[in-house]
Amino acid sequence: RKEVEQDPGPFNVPEGATVAFNCTYSNSASQSFFWYRQDCRKEPKLLMSVYSSGNEDGRFTAQLNRASQYISLLIRDSKLSDSATYLCVVPDNAGNMLTFGGGTRLMVKP
Amino acid sequence: DTEVTQTPKHLVMGMTNKKSLKCEQHMGHRAMYWYKQKAKKPPELMFVYSYEKLSINESVPSRFSPECPNSSLLNLHLHALQPEDSALYLCASSQVFGRTEAFFGQGTRLTVV
Repeated sequence: RKEVEQDPGPFNVPEGATVAFNCTYSNSASQSFFWYRQDCRKEPKLLMSVYSSGNEDGRFTAQLNRASQYISLLIRDSKLSDSATYLCVVPDNAGNMLTFGGGTRLMVKP
Repeated sequence: DTEVTQTPKHLVMGMTNKKSLKCEQHMGHRAMYWYKQKAKKPPELMFVYSYEKLSINESVPSRFSPECPNSSLLNLHLHALQPEDSALYLCASSQVFGRTEAFFGQGTRLTVV
């Protein structure tokens, strides 16, 4: 099992829709989790950090399910500008590296 | 200020050239990273410096040579690269190695001809 796995998508959704992605991880000892957003040919930008059960910032909600070892990212009221690749990052089995999942591509259509 | 600055933004080099990529941060972060990213793939970790010491080398070929002159600067020296080394090279920094979020520079888009 890969250390961090994501559904590559693409997820094609209309504007205004709610969409959710999951990220599964193998290191049960992980304490911190991060969602990054990456636009085409740009650097990853931090979207949300998750240190406990979840986090919410406006239209974005991240939730952690430790029992099933996944974190989710929920985007409400999708905007065209939300179109990007969303990368999940979890410290690896050594507990001290930032390992990226493969990313999930989101396309929001008018 | 969450800025990580990388130079140059674009670089074209021949297979016999020697060049260097530079990265700078002034956030007081003590961990700095080099990642390589190919098109449609996630960033792959290359090197990690923690408190100015190399702590992780992900079996990167010796034609890539990292250097951390001080806590704010990180260099990546390139020599005798191959065309398959063409990629986006990203620098990142974080407060403490692996335990807090990392912030990325804009990257250097490298083309080896």
